[in-house]
Amino acid sequence: GQQVMQIPQYQHVQEGEDFTTYCNSSTTLSNIQWYKQRPGGHPVFLIQLVKSGEVKKQKRLTFQFGEAKKNSSLHITATQTTDVGTYFCAGPIQGAQKLVFGQGTRLTINP
Amino acid sequence: KAGVTQTPRYLIKTRGQQVTLSCSPISGHRSVSWYQQTPGQGLQFLFEYFSETQRNKGNFPGRFSGRQFSNSRSEMNVSTLELGDSALYLCASSWAPLLAGLAKNIQYFGAGTRLSVL
Repeated sequence: GQQVMQIPQYQHVQEGEDFTTYCNSSTTLSNIQWYKQRPGGHPVFLIQLVKSGEVKKQKRLTFQFGEAKKNSSLHITATQTTDVGTYFCAGPIQGAQKLVFGQGTRLTINP
Repeated sequence: KAGVTQTPRYLIKTRGQQVTLSCSPISGHRSVSWYQQTPGQGLQFLFEYFSETQRNKGNFPGRFSGRQFSNSRSEMNVSTLELGDSALYLCASSWAPLLAGLAKNIQYFGAGTRLSVL
């Protein structure tokens, strides 16, 4: 079936290092959403990308949507301990009435 | 504006019992989706309700059911509990139903109900 794959599954960095997580879909996505879940918390919406090739920034976070609308990435510059958590991408699969979430990338940071 | 409210926050049940979880969406939101989150499987879609109608259902057995009331509040029921049903159950609300192509299906999640089946 249609899937949204996310890599890596885990990432451990030193505070101040950069971090990137990648999201790939087997089919074209009409839009893609990113969520962050802090340890012990619930997913919180970060951003939505709709246009092919779109790039959006939120302070140290940069989100990209691929030209073919099949992949996306989240890049964090100079990580801080507040960035710890699991980052999920999610896409509404064409023809289906549901959002499919990637498996998430769990980010841990060594202060 | 109040966020999505889920009750109870924690539940401990034994195998064979049934459980009902409740979700109150953000005021004005008519779509409520339910997800199961486990360490091994991530976020798995259970079902979505919009205007009291189930619009879609994930790959879960019939023991998992739900409903939505006229005020958009939703309940999820799991019957004949199994050990594998232990998970965090998350409810999310949105303005629009989860239709591909719409950009109004952003999910606002509640804090979840952590269910432990012993």
